[in-house]
Parts: sequence; C-alpha cells; structure tokens
Amino acid sequence: NAGVMQNPRHLVRRRGQEARLRCSPMKGHSHVYWYRQLPEEGLKFMVYLQKENIIDESGMPKERFSAEFPKEGPSILRIQQVVRGDSAAYFCASSPTLQSSYNEQFFGPGTRLTVL
Amino acid sequence: GDSVTQMEGPVTLSEEAFLTINCTYTATGYPSLFWYVQYPGEGLQLLLKATKADDKGSNKGFEATYRKETTSFHLEKGSVQVSDSAVYFCALSGPDDYKLSFGAGTTVTVRA
Repeated sequence: NAGVMQNPRHLVRRRGQEARLRCSPMKGHSHVYWYRQLPEEGLKFMVYLQKENIIDESGMPKERFSAEFPKEGPSILRIQQVVRGDSAAYFCASSPTLQSSYNEQFFGPGTRLTVL
Repeated sequence: GDSVTQMEGPVTLSEEAFLTINCTYTATGYPSLFWYVQYPGEGLQLLLKATKADDKGSNKGFEATYRKETTSFHLEKGSVQVSDSAVYFCALSGPDDYKLSFGAGTTVTVRA
C-alpha cells in the first residue's frame, strides 16, 4: 500500500518564478490537507480539499497561493511569483473520511522549497 | 488560537537512556492530543494519541498522558534504541476540528 506521495521532494526557484507542488493521497482517500513548516516553527494548516472542492482555505495566504484537487490526478499547491519568505517545507496529508475528535491524517514526506 | 509548545532540541542520548520530550498546549475546550514521528526521508506518522483528560496513549514503548490541569502531554520512553532517532512533533486538534496545530518538532538522536 503506497503512502502519501509528494513530488518533487526538493524544489529550487528564483524569486518571481512559479512553484507547483504535487500530492497524491493514499488509495481510497478523498480528503487532502496542506501544511507549511517555516524554519524553526511547527507545521501550520493551509488548506483542506476534497475532490473538486476547497473546503477550508483559512490558512492560505490571500495572494499568490492556490490549491486544487481535481477529479483525476494529484492535488496541486501552486505558488506564483515566489519570494524568499516562501522557502519552507510543504507537507500534504490525506484521510479517508472526516472524523471528529480523532483525526488521523496520513502525511507525505514533504517538499522542501528553496527560493533563491 | 490553539497552540503547542514543545521542548527545543536537538536531544542526543545513548542507547537504553530515558527519553522525555515536554509538550504543553493552549486551547479552548477539550482538544485531542497527538504525537507524530518523522523518520529520516519519510512522512510524519502518528505515534500515539489521547482524546480526553487522563487518557494515556502508548505505542512502541512510548507513552504520554493527557494532563488537563497542567495542559501537558509529555512524551516518555524508558529505554531508547538507535532506531528511535527521528523528529517528534506534538500536535492538537480541537473538538470536531480537522486542523492540526503542531509544535516545532524535537530532533532526537540516539547513539549506540
């Protein structure tokens, strides 16, 4: 059983370029979550998606960031016109169903974005 | 808002030593508490959890007790192995909430 897959594992971009991060959830999982870990900080929630729907994007920066989870294919986190402050580790997680009080999310290995 | 504070690392231990990683939290209501572990090159894995006060979560020799009076969820293991070398994250989620709030992580290295 393959776990949550993320690619690329490492991504280097220059300021102003676009970054696309991909996440394939575990088989049978229809819920995807993105988290960001800035240096020396804990993971912070960004967005929660189900197939073709954004459920909660309260943790996403208002500009330059977008996320999608199409009917077919992986979830994509897209960062336009990257700046140095976007350098971080981006983690994706998936779950089979929304559970209250106990929320086991299965995490991928993360994508480490470096903006030069 | 909800937050988690955990012991800063890195922590270096010898095999068979006792490990404690402190974790305290701030939250409204009664959150669920978790410890996640990240081994080198892998994603975060759920290590153990507790969903109400005085619950004790345990797995792979690790334990943590949900202490509401001290708002703590400290992780302990009596005798660590080299294979326990990893980054450990304390986390919480509010009641009926899917968002996890994480601490900054503690890197643990166990030497043979």
